[in-house]
Amino acid sequence: EIVMTQSPATLSVSPGERATLSCRASQSVSSNLAWYQQKPGQAPRLLIYTASTRATGIPARFSGSGSGTEFTLTISSLQSEDFAVYYCQQYNNWPLTFGGGTKVEIK
Amino acid sequence: EVQLLESGGGLGLPGGSLRLSCAASGFTFSSYAMSWVRQAPGKGLEWVAAITGSGDSTPYADSVKGRFTISRDNSKNTLYLQMNSLRAEDTAIYYCAKVRGDGYPYFFDYWGQGTLVTVSS
Repeated sequence: EIVMTQSPATLSVSPGERATLSCRASQSVSSNLAWYQQKPGQAPRLLIYTASTRATGIPARFSGSGSGTEFTLTISSLQSEDFAVYYCQQYNNWPLTFGGGTKVEIK
Repeated sequence: EVQLLESGGGLGLPGGSLRLSCAASGFTFSSYAMSWVRQAPGKGLEWVAAITGSGDSTPYADSVKGRFTISRDNSKNTLYLQMNSLRAEDTAIYYCAKVRGDGYPYFFDYWGQGTLVTVSS
């Protein structure tokens, strides 16, 4: 099983600042990585797939990069609606696995 | 508009059974793989099982293999999860999720709002 490790667990950021979230895979997943956003009491929402492709309707301030074992989600200028938990997911191998999440909170 | 509506959650006894359903609308159901993903209270996401559009491939997480069965009825646009031999650690919100295509790549472009399963005596 591929273990996905996200860091940091919690990120404190002021509105308007840049946020950088990391996701590391225990073995290469190529570019087969997705990012999701989850707000309290809501279902996850797809943000990024294939490591760097924004999903439909996702603002350009969200960007993804990386391949192999190291991936990054960047939110260029945090808006109030962006404070949430973010998960990465690999789909290169079975079983599908998620990272433990990064909570982005208001500083 | 894609909609996924889960039902069937509730209280289940240890060793007991529950059957979850997910009614889908807004897309050609039979053309897409589907999946169940769960989230224990206050925890992260855990993939449970998936099924191709035709139902001919059904991978499972090791934690549920042999106890849970995923299935679909394309004539009713409905996804199911039969949960047997329930354990306390199966307590979670269960989300129905649509896969981007019919099979690989298995990431999820739409999610339902989830149904809570609580396993307790």
